[in-house]
Amino acid sequence: EVQVLESGGGLVQPGGSLRLSCAASGFTFSIYGMGWVRQAPGKGLEWVSTITSSGDGRAYADSVKGRFTISRDNSRDTLYLQMNSLRAEDTAIYYCVSWCSGGACYFQHWGQGTLVTVSS
Amino acid sequence: QSALTQPASVSGSPGQSITISCTGTSSDVGGYNYVSWYQQHPGKAPKLIIYDVTNRPSGVSNRFSGSKSGDTASLTISGLQAEDEADYYCSSYTSDNVVFGRGTKLTVL
Repeated sequence: EVQVLESGGGLVQPGGSLRLSCAASGFTFSIYGMGWVRQAPGKGLEWVSTITSSGDGRAYADSVKGRFTISRDNSRDTLYLQMNSLRAEDTAIYYCVSWCSGGACYFQHWGQGTLVTVSS
Repeated sequence: QSALTQPASVSGSPGQSITISCTGTSSDVGGYNYVSWYQQHPGKAPKLIIYDVTNRPSGVSNRFSGSKSGDTASLTISGLQAEDEADYYCSSYTSDNVVFGRGTKLTVL
């Protein structure tokens, strides 16, 4: 059974930092690209970042470029998102998602999400 | 990275068919066959229902179908059921990023 479990969310002050983790199981993590998608309260889905299966390629939405860093540890089947200089508009549920595999790119596996709240 | 255009809401009665459109540009929807659709029920994580424009993942009802013409992709749900009431999002992969639609709320009357 595929499981994707995010952790690390919480309340942080503007300008602060937070690191999200995502533990995956039930599929071969090392052959999948992975990513993060977020959803602000009452709003739609927003792509945040993706990383290739080997970790050597990364892409970011303009809204987080220069502030967020995506990384992965294939030995631990774990994905990370380091979030710095957080703003109120970063408040959202952050979903960990599987991405490209075998040349096909879509968000197949989703976690239940972790809530990040940026507020003073 | 402009969002794809979807209608804010659509509705239909049980048993009917509805279509949700997703309009982009030649740089995203029109340029790649990487359109996917996601269903999201309130308080739940999104679920993949269509990928690569027309393909259904294992376990997804064949009442869901996808298509594309030019810069516009479409999701059709036939034989509407009460459980189909949800938010639907399209997405397109481009050369270096991903863009979502703003979402469509489907109401089953």
